[in-house]
Amino acid sequence: EDKVVQSPLSLVVHEGDTVTLNCSYEVTNFRSLLWYKQEKKAPTFLFMLTSSGIEKKSGRLSSILDKKELFSILNITATQTGDSAVYLCAVEANFGNEKLTFGTGTRLTIIP
Amino acid sequence: NAGVMQNPRHLVRRRGQEARLRCSPMKGHSHVYWYRQLPEEGLKFMVYLQKENIIDESGMPKERFSAEFPKEGPSILRIQQVVRGDSAAYFCASSLREYNEQFFGPGTRLTVL
Repeated sequence: EDKVVQSPLSLVVHEGDTVTLNCSYEVTNFRSLLWYKQEKKAPTFLFMLTSSGIEKKSGRLSSILDKKELFSILNITATQTGDSAVYLCAVEANFGNEKLTFGTGTRLTIIP
Repeated sequence: NAGVMQNPRHLVRRRGQEARLRCSPMKGHSHVYWYRQLPEEGLKFMVYLQKENIIDESGMPKERFSAEFPKEGPSILRIQQVVRGDSAAYFCASSLREYNEQFFGPGTRLTVL
């Protein structure tokens, strides 16, 4: 069974700090890894990663995938209170198996 | 371009009643996915549908739960004879084509009294 483990479970930092969120996975026929940000409602898509070693960047957020060691990290620099949310990592497999398998998330709290 | 729409946003049912949850995918998206999120747990896949077809229902309980995505209209997740354990947030997601990123709706929060 596919498995996604995120760490830490929760993280509290001060505004302006840099944070690194971790996601490790076990997937048969891995295709992609996705990061989402969930505030009170819908998970919001952040990144989709399919290739190892290529960093994806969007403003202060960046992510990279290591397919050899089976993990990904999500970095947020110069954190702001609006970054407070649960960050979800999910994996997708190949061969007609399009469902996403999610981790339980990392709850990030930014203190002003 | 409107995002994924779900309604109702909140639904309260008594044990034994039926719950119907609706999902309209993003414009142009023909792939719909339903996920369930229990309190303090991650999102769990339930079912994947394309227009008029159920592609993968491996995450959906065999009894009381059903899903459809008709040629016209929204996708419907139906829960018959609800029990307290069905209380959860139910999220719908859609994608443009297979293996594209999935975009999520705001969810329906079901409470069973």
